[in-house]
Amino acid sequence: DAGVTQSPTHLIKTRGQHVTLRCSPISGHKSVSWYQQVLGQGPQFIFQYYEKEERGRGNFPDRFSARQFPNYSSELNVNALLLGDSALYLCASSFTNTEAFFGQGTRLTVV
Amino acid sequence: QKEVEQNSGPLSVPEGAIASLNCTYSDRVSQSFFWYRQYSGKSPELIMSIYSNGDKEDGRFTAQLNKASQYVSLLIRDSQPSDSATYLCAVNEGGSTLGRLYFGRGTQLTVWP
Repeated sequence: DAGVTQSPTHLIKTRGQHVTLRCSPISGHKSVSWYQQVLGQGPQFIFQYYEKEERGRGNFPDRFSARQFPNYSSELNVNALLLGDSALYLCASSFTNTEAFFGQGTRLTVV
Repeated sequence: QKEVEQNSGPLSVPEGAIASLNCTYSDRVSQSFFWYRQYSGKSPELIMSIYSNGDKEDGRFTAQLNKASQYVSLLIRDSQPSDSATYLCAVNEGGSTLGRLYFGRGTQLTVWP
């Protein structure tokens, strides 16, 4: 079975630009969560979507937004990129409140 | 702000030894606890989950949970160099049915031959 897939794997953007990250969950999983991990820290929660509705939002500015599609895939959008947005962005897939499985992540570098 | 604290590390053990990783959490109503392994430059990989007080064993890994003390640990027996990684403790948001996770900063483990 395919695991969680994220695209792209690496991305370099310039300050002020916009970025869209994509995630496909494990088949049958209806919950997708997004996390940001900066070097030396644990992942920080950004958003959770379940059945296409936002079910949770972490302490991130409004420049961050997300959505979930009818096939349960998801996009994370970040506007007006800052240098501090450079991080590993992780998508996690879960079946309700059971274990969360991460994709390989998208390494975003803002220059 | 819900906190998850892990022993700071780094932790270094010889091959064949037992590695002990510890985690405390602040949210008294959390119900689900997880250990993830993260190799350098990779994403976290789920290795253990535990929901009830006591011990849970899976191969060389044993997770221990004490909700009264708000403490969860991971023991790795017969440590191997391939176990060298950062181990992340994660706790679900208490009262949530949808599994938002809070993570510690991780403990870096090195197993030397």
